[in-house]
Amino acid sequence: EAGVAQSPRYKIIEKRQSVAFWCNPISGHATLYWYQQILGQGPKLLIQFQNNGVVDDSQLPKDRFSAERLKGVDSTLKIQPAKLEDSAVYLCASSLVVTGPSLLAKNIQYFGAGTRLSVL
Amino acid sequence: AQKITQTQPGMFVQEKEAVTLDCTYDTSDQSYGLFWYKQPSSGEMIFLIYQGSYDEQNATEGRYSLNFQKARKSANLVISASQLGDSAMYFCAMREGQYNFNKFYFGSGTKLNVKP
Repeated sequence: EAGVAQSPRYKIIEKRQSVAFWCNPISGHATLYWYQQILGQGPKLLIQFQNNGVVDDSQLPKDRFSAERLKGVDSTLKIQPAKLEDSAVYLCASSLVVTGPSLLAKNIQYFGAGTRLSVL
Repeated sequence: AQKITQTQPGMFVQEKEAVTLDCTYDTSDQSYGLFWYKQPSSGEMIFLIYQGSYDEQNATEGRYSLNFQKARKSANLVISASQLGDSAMYFCAMREGQYNFNKFYFGSGTKLNVKP
């Protein structure tokens, strides 16, 4: 089974430029997550999709970040314009949608390799 | 208040020995899940082990076991017989509630170094 695919792996841009990241989740996973991981910290959730709807984007800096998942499969995260503090690894994850206390285990998130962004 | 606390920024362990990585959590929900992930230098987050709040037995997955102490709100990861390939960052995480769209919280991580 193919894992979560992300591209590009690395990106270097100058501040005020735009950048986009792409993620293709595991087949059949309805939920997709984008995380920002700054060096030395744990991942921070930016946005969560269930199919093509946004479930949580409370920590997404909406003045510069946007994300879409138009057909409920792959997703794009965009930063426009980038700031120095956006330098981080951007991780995409996906999971099945299973509910019920005995089934919570199946809501395991599987991660892609991430995109390392450097803003100069 | 921090939802997940990992108090060990870095740990060293001798190859073939066991090591315990600490994790405490904070929630008032009765239903929650606890997860451990490994992040090698390559960057990918690898799922290791899961413990549900209703599970009475401690979870085990090969050399990984989770020491779940509900009253203390701790979920420590035990790695037995450490290997050089275990050197990585380890993150404890929690999902509150029983639904997929509840928030997922990560700790700040513990960097494990396995010495030959």
